Amino acid sequence: EVQLVESGGGLVQPGRSLKLSCAASGFTFSNYYMAWVRQAPTKGLEWVASITNSGGSTYYRDSVKGRFTISRDNAKSTLYLQMDSLRSEDTATYYCTRGTGSPWGQGVMVTVSS
Amino acid sequence: DVVMTQTPVSLSVSLGGQVSISCRSSQSLVHNNGNTYLSWYLQKPGQSPQLLIYKVSNRFSGISDRFSGSGSGTDFTLKISRVEPDDLGVYYCGQGTQYPNTFGAGTKLELK
Repeated sequence: EVQLVESGGGLVQPGRSLKLSCAASGFTFSNYYMAWVRQAPTKGLEWVASITNSGGSTYYRDSVKGRFTISRDNAKSTLYLQMDSLRSEDTATYYCTRGTGSPWGQGVMVTVSS
Repeated sequence: DVVMTQTPVSLSVSLGGQVSISCRSSQSLVHNNGNTYLSWYLQKPGQSPQLLIYKVSNRFSGISDRFSGSGSGTDFTLKISRVEPDDLGVYYCGQGTQYPNTFGAGTKLELK
């Protein structure tokens, strides 16, 4: 079964850091672009970042550029999102998804609050 | 950035009925490689989004033929026929043609 499982969310103070992980299984991870998409409470979907299958290229939305870093370990079939200098507006459920649009993980909640 | 405008914001439908959701993009979604990366997703209450349609009109594996996508350039439509209870939730269109990838604001499908 093709599956993505996120971890690493939680409550963090503004300005602090958090690192999300997404463990992939059931497919050849190294063959696919991967992405992080977030959803603020009661809001719609917002793309955050993408990474090519080799990890050689990364793409970010402007509001996270310079603060977030997407990376991957193909040997471990794991996607990461390092989030630094967190702001209250980063509060959301973060989903990892395969570049094809499916599947999506179950999501992990990140709350930025003092 | 490509702005995705979805209408309507909400829809009420009777079971067995048919609905259409419109998605318009502020720029053409035709990629340099000739593909159009317009997808449709359904997010059921309390769940993660799931892919329904990719590249405008291709049903994802396991998706009922009651769902159909059409359109080109900047104007796209999702049609759902013979609506069932499991179809209820929020529908999003999304474009993957250029970065930043963007989504529509969503259309909530409810029972009449």
